[in-house]
Amino acid sequence: DQQVKQNSPSLSVQEGRISILNCDYTNSMFDYFLWYKKYPAEGPTFLISISSIKDKNEDGRFTVFLNKSAKHLSLHIVPSQPGDSAVYFCAASGISYGKLTFGQGTILTVHP
Amino acid sequence: DVKVTQSSRYLVKRTGEKVFLECVQDMDHENMFWYRQDPGLGLRLIYFSYDVKMKEKGDIPEGYSVSREKKERFSLILESASTNQTSMYLCAAKAGGSGNTIYFGEGSWLTVV
Repeated sequence: DQQVKQNSPSLSVQEGRISILNCDYTNSMFDYFLWYKKYPAEGPTFLISISSIKDKNEDGRFTVFLNKSAKHLSLHIVPSQPGDSAVYFCAASGISYGKLTFGQGTILTVHP
Repeated sequence: DVKVTQSSRYLVKRTGEKVFLECVQDMDHENMFWYRQDPGLGLRLIYFSYDVKMKEKGDIPEGYSVSREKKERFSLILESASTNQTSMYLCAAKAGGSGNTIYFGEGSWLTVV
C-alpha cells in the first residue's frame, strides 16, 4: 500500500522555466511533509518542508503548496537551473516517532 | 548540521555472507533509521530505533536485523545476504518529534553476488 505517491517518474524542463513536481498521499494522519533532493551516489538532502497547518511555504526559488482536502502537495522551482537536475522525493510523517514515508521519486532534468 | 556517517560506501559480498552496515551520527538524536533505495520504489524503511536498545520494524524488515547499543550508532545486519538485497542503503537520524528534519548519510552501495 503506497501511502505517498509521485505519479510522474520523470520531468524535463528548460532552464529558466518553472518546474512543478507533484505528490499525493492517502493517510490523513500525516501532518508534516518534506521534499528531498538526491544526486546519484549521494544521500538525500533536505530541501523544504511544510506543516499541515499551512498551505504554502517558500524558501528562495522553492515553494511547497499543500492542499489537505485533496491530499496533494507540490513543489515549485522558479526559475529552474541545470544544477537542479536530480531525483526529488516527497515524504510525509505523522506522530509515530516521526518516521518518514517516501514517494517513489521524480527525476527532474533541467536543460540549458 | 547533523553529520551522519556510514562506514562503507561500496561493498561486494557473496550470497550467504553475514553483512554489517554501520552508521554513526554526531548530534545526539533519539531517532535513527535504515532505508533502502531501489529504482521506481523510492526509499523504503527497513528498521528504525527511537532509543538505545529499542527498535521497530519498518515496511520491509524481512532478512534484516538491527542493533543500537549506543545512542550515536545504529547497525544494520544482513544475517545471510541474498542477491535481492543488492541495493543502496541509507542511514538517517532525526531529533524527537514529528516536525523535525531527518538527515541522511551518504549511502552504502551493497552488491551481493
